Amino acid sequence: EAEVAQSPRYKITEKSQAVAFWCDPISGHATLYWYRQILGQGPELLVQFQDESVVDDSQLPKDRFSAERLKGVDSTLKIQPAELGDSAMYLCASSPGTGGGTGELFFGEGSRLTVL
Amino acid sequence: AQKVTQAQTEISVVEKEDVTLDCVYETRDTTYYLFWYKQPPSGELVFLIRRNSFDEQNEISGRYSWNFQKSTSSFNFTITASQVVDSAVYFCALSEPWGNNRLAFGKGNQVVVIP
Repeated sequence: EAEVAQSPRYKITEKSQAVAFWCDPISGHATLYWYRQILGQGPELLVQFQDESVVDDSQLPKDRFSAERLKGVDSTLKIQPAELGDSAMYLCASSPGTGGGTGELFFGEGSRLTVL
Repeated sequence: AQKVTQAQTEISVVEKEDVTLDCVYETRDTTYYLFWYKQPPSGELVFLIRRNSFDEQNEISGRYSWNFQKSTSSFNFTITASQVVDSAVYFCALSEPWGNNRLAFGKGNQVVVIP
């Protein structure tokens, strides 16, 4: 069964260091999402791509976070410099649709970040 | 703005008991979609059910059932005859109908099924 792949599964870093997460969506899925999930909370959308274009990055802290999906397939989320408050699970999801709010999102297992 | 509230934080049940999770939502849209997702300890969010705002028919799918009441903005979810494998965090979510599939999640309910 096709899956959304994410790496690394776990990352421990010191504050002020740079960190990057990678996501490979299900083949053929046009839409890719990055969500952040703080412990004990529900996921919150950071950025959404439609193919290689950013559709929504209104909740992305752009002073330290960046995301790209250069060829419209896999994606990288970067944090530089990391802060203590960035400790969270970073979830990637994809969906086949081009919008419409009706579709099911397929999530990866997430990348858990701990900032010391 | 959309908002999803899941009041209970942790619910413990003995295996084979039923467990009901409450979800209350807020939206200005007349057309929207509601979801329940399951997050096991592995971390991956798994889609369980979806319901659109025009369909208030309550259904049963295996051991899962849901009660959607538009009049009270509630979308409750029941697991019948719970099993240990049902232990997970369950999230209720709401999405905008047009545009981008953006989901607004509640805080989740931790369900612990005791053998």
